[in-house]
Amino acid sequence: EVQLVQSGGGLVQPGGSLKLSCAASGFTFSVSAIHWVRQAPGKGVEWIGRIRTRTNNYAAAYAASVKGRFTVSRDDSRNTAYLQMNILQTDDTAVYFCARMNYGMDVWGQGTTVTVSS
Amino acid sequence: DIVVTQSPDSLAVSLGERVTINCKSSQSLLFNSNNKNYLAWYQQKPGHPPKLLLYWASTRASGVPDRFSGSGSGTDFTLTISRLQAEDVAVYYCQQYYVTPDTFGQGTRLDIK
Repeated sequence: EVQLVQSGGGLVQPGGSLKLSCAASGFTFSVSAIHWVRQAPGKGVEWIGRIRTRTNNYAAAYAASVKGRFTVSRDDSRNTAYLQMNILQTDDTAVYFCARMNYGMDVWGQGTTVTVSS
Repeated sequence: DIVVTQSPDSLAVSLGERVTINCKSSQSLLFNSNNKNYLAWYQQKPGHPPKLLLYWASTRASGVPDRFSGSGSGTDFTLTISRLQAEDVAVYYCQQYYVTPDTFGQGTRLDIK
């Protein structure tokens, strides 16, 4: 089965850090770009970043709202992508999704909740 | 950044009726070298991630019923549901992937009248 399984969410204090994982199975992970999207409570979806493939030099890009604080990475040997989140703020509270980007995001993780609160 | 704006924000339609949702981009999403529009449509139900419905503005993703269709080119696009069914109640998003950062519309909530 083609799937992305996420882990690593939780409660963190403002200014803290958290690392999310996105484990792929059922498809060739190494040739797939992975995007990260988040959804604050009751709000729409927001694209926050992506990492391309080895062929494309693992190029990463970020939304302005997270640039300099969040880092996307991947380990093709483990079929896993990561989102390292630093200097977390209360408005980073959201459900975070990873997704495979083909022509559109055609495979999504189940989402993991990140709550930033003191 | 490209701004993508959907209209309306919400709508309620009777079962079996036609649904139209619009998406307007602040710049053209048509890549001339391959004549493709870099726009996708998604459906999101509560508690679930978005589901890809259409890509290249009008190509249905695998398993998507043919009552869903997409049209438009350049800056103006439309998602049409030909005959609304109860399971189509959801929030719909368009997304441009023409240029980084990718951007989503604000979403359109669809309910049954």
